[in-house]
Amino acid sequence: AQSVTQPDIHITVSEGASLELRCNYSYGATPYLFWYVQSPGQGLQLLLKYFSGDTLVQGIKGFEAEFKRSQSSFNLRKPSVHWSDAAEYFCAVGERSGQFYFGTGTSLTVIP
Amino acid sequence: ETGVTQSPTHLIKTRGQQVTLRCSSQSGHNTVSWYQQALGQGPQFIFQYYREEENGRGNFPPRFSGLQFPNYSSELNVNALELDDSALYLCASSLQGGSRSYEQYFGPGTRLTVT
Repeated sequence: AQSVTQPDIHITVSEGASLELRCNYSYGATPYLFWYVQSPGQGLQLLLKYFSGDTLVQGIKGFEAEFKRSQSSFNLRKPSVHWSDAAEYFCAVGERSGQFYFGTGTSLTVIP
Repeated sequence: ETGVTQSPTHLIKTRGQQVTLRCSSQSGHNTVSWYQQALGQGPQFIFQYYREEENGRGNFPPRFSGLQFPNYSSELNVNALELDDSALYLCASSLQGGSRSYEQYFGPGTRLTVT
């Protein structure tokens, strides 16, 4: 069965430091991969997506993610974190049927 | 372009009651998906509607049902509410067909509390 694992429940980084959030997936075919961000009490905002092609994808707010098929990973990165990046981050796999599978999320705290 | 809207924002119901949640899809989108997000968890897929028909369903019992209307808006109905149904219910819309089919845009959600 398809699944998404986000091994880090909570991460704390200093403002200006680099960030990497991990995501591993289990899926039988070429996956459609996504990262979403959720601020408290809000819906999910799409940060970036991977369908095919270049394995390094750029998203909004300075985020990028790299698809590594050999490691079944799709880690999210940002070179310099801002205080406004504090939020919950979700990795998701999308099936061709339209069904999405989400990880349990990583909560990011940014300290000044 | 208007985004995805959901109503109501918050709702409190008693165990055993029925509830209807509403979603208006983003302009130009023809597909609506519903998700349940329990506290501290990721969203769980409930079902998807395309052209007014259910187009996929997750592991939820039949007391979770839905509708999609000709204008692509949608309803989620939950009968015989249980305490475990307390969650944030998210609606997401997308445009079926082509490479953008899998870009889902989420509404702000409806917070349902069952007492």
